[in-house]
Amino acid sequence: NAGVTQTPKFQVLKTGQSMTLQCAQDMNHEYMSWYRQDPGMGLRLIHYSVGAGITDQGEVPNGYNVSRSTTEDFPLRLLSAAPSQTSVYFCASSYGRDRGRRSSGYTFGSGTRLTVV
Amino acid sequence: GQNIDQPTEMTATEGAIVQINCTYQTSGFNGLFWYQQHAGEAPTFLSYNVLDGLEEKGRFSSFLSRSKGYSYLLLKELQMKDSASYLCAVRATNKLIFGTGTLLAVQP
Repeated sequence: NAGVTQTPKFQVLKTGQSMTLQCAQDMNHEYMSWYRQDPGMGLRLIHYSVGAGITDQGEVPNGYNVSRSTTEDFPLRLLSAAPSQTSVYFCASSYGRDRGRRSSGYTFGSGTRLTVV
Repeated sequence: GQNIDQPTEMTATEGAIVQINCTYQTSGFNGLFWYQQHAGEAPTFLSYNVLDGLEEKGRFSSFLSRSKGYSYLLLKELQMKDSASYLCAVRATNKLIFGTGTLLAVQP
């Protein structure tokens, strides 16, 4: 199993450009989420999904779009990149229902380091 | 909304025990997670509590009191490799929300 795969690992964008960060998981997890991590701010939830065809906004959704057409994939789209979107982006996935009290938690991808100039 | 608080930084000595506290206010509570994150790496899952009480896993234990909105992570027999950020996260309904994390420095 590959777990959660994020691509690309690094990206530099110019202000105003658009791009899609890819996230794929092979664990048949129902839940998938996107976070950004900035120094001193912790992980902040951008968008999340509880299953194919269902998405919802998190804490900081502005400037980002998502879709969930399959269980495996959850791409994050930056519509018009801004320097404020310079960050490390993490995708995470989990089962939708705990297996008793023993949860395996959310599995994270290795992250995408995005710089907007 | 959710509010999760944990200390920003802590220092401890190799071989000692350290307790990292986390308090939270949320609606629709559905479990509390602890993650470890080394600099430049992704968070990795440490523990999960959904019922009150203590969960033990090797050198790591986590405690939850739902009535007090309080959890702690206990690390025993500290090792230098335990120097990392420790993230408290609360699952509220279908969302996992993180605190800002506690940076733990383990000194010789």
